[in-house]
Amino acid sequence: EVHVVESGGGLIQPGGSLRLSCAASGFTVGNNYMSWVRQAPGKGLEWVSSIYSGGSTYHADTVKGRFAISRDNSKNTLYLEMNSLRVEDTAHYFCVYSYVPYYMDVWGKGTTVTVSS
Amino acid sequence: SYVLIQTPSVSVAPGQTAKITCGGDNIESKTVHWYQQKPGQAPVLVIYDDSGRPSGIPERFSGSNSGNTATLTISRVDAGDEADYYCQVWEHNFSLPFGGGTKLTVL
Repeated sequence: EVHVVESGGGLIQPGGSLRLSCAASGFTVGNNYMSWVRQAPGKGLEWVSSIYSGGSTYHADTVKGRFAISRDNSKNTLYLEMNSLRVEDTAHYFCVYSYVPYYMDVWGKGTTVTVSS
Repeated sequence: SYVLIQTPSVSVAPGQTAKITCGGDNIESKTVHWYQQKPGQAPVLVIYDDSGRPSGIPERFSGSNSGNTATLTISRVDAGDEADYYCQVWEHNFSLPFGGGTKLTVL
């Protein structure tokens, strides 16, 4: 069974950095499409970043240049490196598995990032 | 970037049919996907590729896409369907925009 579990969230000051992790089971991260989606408190879903099976990466304009998605195939783990964090990056971050890149099949429970001084 | 517009809220009585719409410029040229999110839970894919239904999703959930509007239809609504529903498309710049979400209330 496909399963993803996020970790690494927490409270961080504006301008700080944080790395989220997503441990996968039931499939191989390197052979599939993975994404991060976030949800600010009381708000809707916002796509953040995706990594394709071939290794190409894509980021939303709101995080481009500050966030980086990557994976470690040996650990079967997805990451989101977040730098220059802003108050508006405060959100619950979901790791998502996709069999195809067009929609999102399986979601983790998420991890919460709070950016505040 | 491509904008998807959803009505913020829809209310329906138990046993009736709920229609949740997602508007976008010539959205019929794209394939639309739908997610259900209950309070405190992660989203769940309920419709893919306009009208496909993932394994485990009841036949009461169906989708369509025509013109500038895609529609998620939930027939014989019950209290367990109360949730937020989001539409989503894939863009040729590899982004995956979501609509703003619709809160379905079962009266």
